[in-house]
Amino acid sequence: AQKITQTQPGMFVQEKEAVTLDCTYDTSDQSYGLFWYKQPSSGEMIFLIYQGSYDEQNATEGRYSLNFQKARKSANLVISASQLGDSAMYFCAMRESRNAGNNRKLIWGLGTSLAVNP
Amino acid sequence: DAGITQSPRHKVTETGTPVTLRCHQTENHRYMYWYRQDPGHGLRLIHYSYGVKDTDKGEVSDGYSVSRSKTEDFLLTLESATSSQTSVYFCAISESLAGYQETQYFGPGTRLLVL
Repeated sequence: AQKITQTQPGMFVQEKEAVTLDCTYDTSDQSYGLFWYKQPSSGEMIFLIYQGSYDEQNATEGRYSLNFQKARKSANLVISASQLGDSAMYFCAMRESRNAGNNRKLIWGLGTSLAVNP
Repeated sequence: DAGITQSPRHKVTETGTPVTLRCHQTENHRYMYWYRQDPGHGLRLIHYSYGVKDTDKGEVSDGYSVSRSKTEDFLLTLESATSSQTSVYFCAISESLAGYQETQYFGPGTRLLVL
């Protein structure tokens, strides 16, 4: 079973509007971290934002915020005031507390492709 | 910028040829990772390292080996390249965000084509 599910293969948004990219996760751990990464067409993977399972407030980084709903096991990325440069693939990932030893692996979703229209 | 470089950035090789990809980091990070990225599969962990000469397998390690003789270098070797190993390969390091939190930062990637 997928541990990270991104149900939107592709999304479109008008420039300057807000957009929400969905991510649901599955874990039995009480402690875990959730991450979002951006991959533009140039190919690099760019870390955007992090949310810890015990964080009481939703994480924010500039125009990015993470809508964390623990009971629903969702960690949606919200991009406010979209810009043309936001067009990219966006990946959600999770690190479970069981991976706090030597293998600190991330579990990845398959990504959502976002296109920002002028 | 986590100071990660990968070489080569692009490579075309023939089936059966050995290939070595290099990941170099400048900031003394202990944990390093090799991933491959393929359409429909997302990122999959090949091997990881938790120190010099300390490495272990990830979820798709068959056909790959790694070595880490120095903190700054993590090498990925395809002993005998196959067309199924055509992919984009990313190296990553773990870095603390704050306190116990940490995330992974990625190198620019290597595009490998096996003919």
